[in-house]
Amino acid sequence: EAGVTQFPSHSVIEKGQTVTLRCDPISGHDNLYWYRRVMGKEIKFLLHFVKESKQDESGMPNNRFLAERTGGTYSTLKVQPAELEDSGVYFCASSQDRGGLLETQYFGPGTRLLVL
Amino acid sequence: GIQVEQSPPDLILQEGANSTLRCNFSDSVNNLQWFHQNPWGQLINLFYIPSGTKQNGRLSATTVATERYSLLYISSSQTTDSGVYFCAVERIQGAQKLVFGQGTRLTINP
Repeated sequence: EAGVTQFPSHSVIEKGQTVTLRCDPISGHDNLYWYRRVMGKEIKFLLHFVKESKQDESGMPNNRFLAERTGGTYSTLKVQPAELEDSGVYFCASSQDRGGLLETQYFGPGTRLLVL
Repeated sequence: GIQVEQSPPDLILQEGANSTLRCNFSDSVNNLQWFHQNPWGQLINLFYIPSGTKQNGRLSATTVATERYSLLYISSSQTTDSGVYFCAVERIQGAQKLVFGQGTRLTINP
């Protein structure tokens, strides 16, 4: 079984540019999450999809961030325009949902974003 | 929101030593996971352990949910065990999101 995959693995952009990150969850996982770790700080939740619906986007820092999950499969996270403080590692995770019981969240390898 | 505190923040040991990492949390949880972040930055699942004890090779974990803490044990440490270990919890009756501690940086010297 393939794990969570993320693309690209690294991205270096200039302030003001746009970057789009992609996440492919484990096949059959309805839950998809985005997290990020900015320099020197803890890993923080951004948002949670259940299939194609945003269940919780309380962690999104501002309206420069837009997440989508069309068709309930892969997800994209767009940052437009990027700022210096957006630099960090963006993780995607997915989990199954079995009748309301919580399941392990499996994390992807992350995308390292550097904004210059 | 729920607070997650890990200790110690840094731990330096010689190869072959045993170590214990601690995770305290401030509210009742129904999910607790331990992760190892390797030198390439990848988060590797170690345990899903909201309660009880589990073992996987040289690693084991115990969560005492009623006292709101979890312990990760590493026996006979190897240099490949180096990295940052994170504890993350999901609060009961809260949103389905993991709240991470700040991690314990473990360095195993040969």
